[in-house]
Amino acid sequence: GAVVSQHPSWVICKSGTSVKIECRSLDFQATTMFWYRQFPKQSLMLMATSNEGSKATYEQGVEKDKFLINHASLTLSTLTVTSAHPEDSSFYICSARVPGEDGYTFGSGTRLTVV
Amino acid sequence: RKEVEQDPGPFNVPEGATVAFNCTYSNSASQSFFWYRQDCRKEPKLLMSVYSSGNEDGRFTAQLNRASQYISLLIRDSKLSDSATYLCVVNKGSNYQLIWGAGTKLIIKP
Repeated sequence: GAVVSQHPSWVICKSGTSVKIECRSLDFQATTMFWYRQFPKQSLMLMATSNEGSKATYEQGVEKDKFLINHASLTLSTLTVTSAHPEDSSFYICSARVPGEDGYTFGSGTRLTVV
Repeated sequence: RKEVEQDPGPFNVPEGATVAFNCTYSNSASQSFFWYRQDCRKEPKLLMSVYSSGNEDGRFTAQLNRASQYISLLIRDSKLSDSATYLCVVNKGSNYQLIWGAGTKLIIKP
């Protein structure tokens, strides 16, 4: 089936630094990419929806200046966590709907730890 | 009230047993329903979509009750490998945005 490749799988960074997470759709074009965050023992929370060639749509309470999303091509969407702090430590995961398939395909997730 | 509610469990079930759990949703305009499975520290994987007429895939059966706004998942002849968190997912009205339940943790014991 269609795959969304997400990198890095995990990252540990210092407070104040920025981290970029990439999601690439393989073998299909993803006009829309959903970015989620999941804290331990909680459900996935949608952060934003990125659309190729246009601005991302952010959910209420998500700072657009802190979580920069770029969807420059039909196969690549990136999320940059700027000036990361320990409270940003979480599991970040992207997802896209594959044309013609049921459900949504997920990247393998990025576990971010800010120290 | 949460948009999608699930009993968090954990459900401790002996191997070979049948187990079922429900999920309720609040948006009556929702059209798409899914069950996902998530293993610890991994990404969710689609288990099955839930159709109005109900659907079955091997040991797994999903049902939708629109009147009462809930979906259910039944697992027969449970295996140790069925141990995971099962996430109920509902789309937000007519668009592609998904609302996720917090998941029901299932533990199958030998």
